[in-house]
Amino acid sequence: QKEVEQNSGPLSVPEGAIASLNCTYSDRGSQSFFWYRQYSGKSPELIMSIYSNGDKEDGRFTAQLNKASQYVSLLIRDSQPSDSATYLCAVNFRGSTLGRLYFGRGTQLTVWP
Amino acid sequence: DTAVSQTPKYLVTQMGNDKSIKCEQNLGHDTMYWYKQDSKKFLKIMFSYNNKELIINETVPNRFSPKSPDKAHLNLHINSLELGDSAVYFCASSQDAPLTGGTDTQYFGPGTRLTVL
Repeated sequence: QKEVEQNSGPLSVPEGAIASLNCTYSDRGSQSFFWYRQYSGKSPELIMSIYSNGDKEDGRFTAQLNKASQYVSLLIRDSQPSDSATYLCAVNFRGSTLGRLYFGRGTQLTVWP
Repeated sequence: DTAVSQTPKYLVTQMGNDKSIKCEQNLGHDTMYWYKQDSKKFLKIMFSYNNKELIINETVPNRFSPKSPDKAHLNLHINSLELGDSAVYFCASSQDAPLTGGTDTQYFGPGTRLTVL
């Protein structure tokens, strides 16, 4: 069973804080992991992709991958009200067709001023 | 410059009707996708085409039929619409994954909100 699990939230943090979003997945052999952001009424847009264990940083965003624990997280530093959105975790599972992404149900983040 | 475009943006129709949604991408990508996002925001893949060839065909009612006239276009035709088909349908595209050695970034269109009455 291929599953991607996320806390649905809502996660509420004050402006300037660190927001931590978590995702677990069911297959340890999975290779590709993505975080998408989706504003209400809009389409998903890619925030980060990560393929290797460890941290990957891009501006205020850091993705962390631990394949042994089947866990991928997204940290947002210095959170801004404009970061308020739903964050979707997506995984390409081992043995799946390349490009076949399984999405979690998303975590709704609210950053209050 | 719109990378992935869809028409129409909104579609309201009666049960039993047949409707189509069109998608075009100008990114030069080889792979295109159709996703369905339900009222609980769960995003699930329906179909994928690579260079006009069907490569992903999830468990979807056969009332849904994708058509790819060329690699820049992927249309979705839905027959005999049902209430449960109401959702937002997203088209997406990505570069040919084997060329990048892995699953590549998917770029989503703006979505088509389908309401079946």
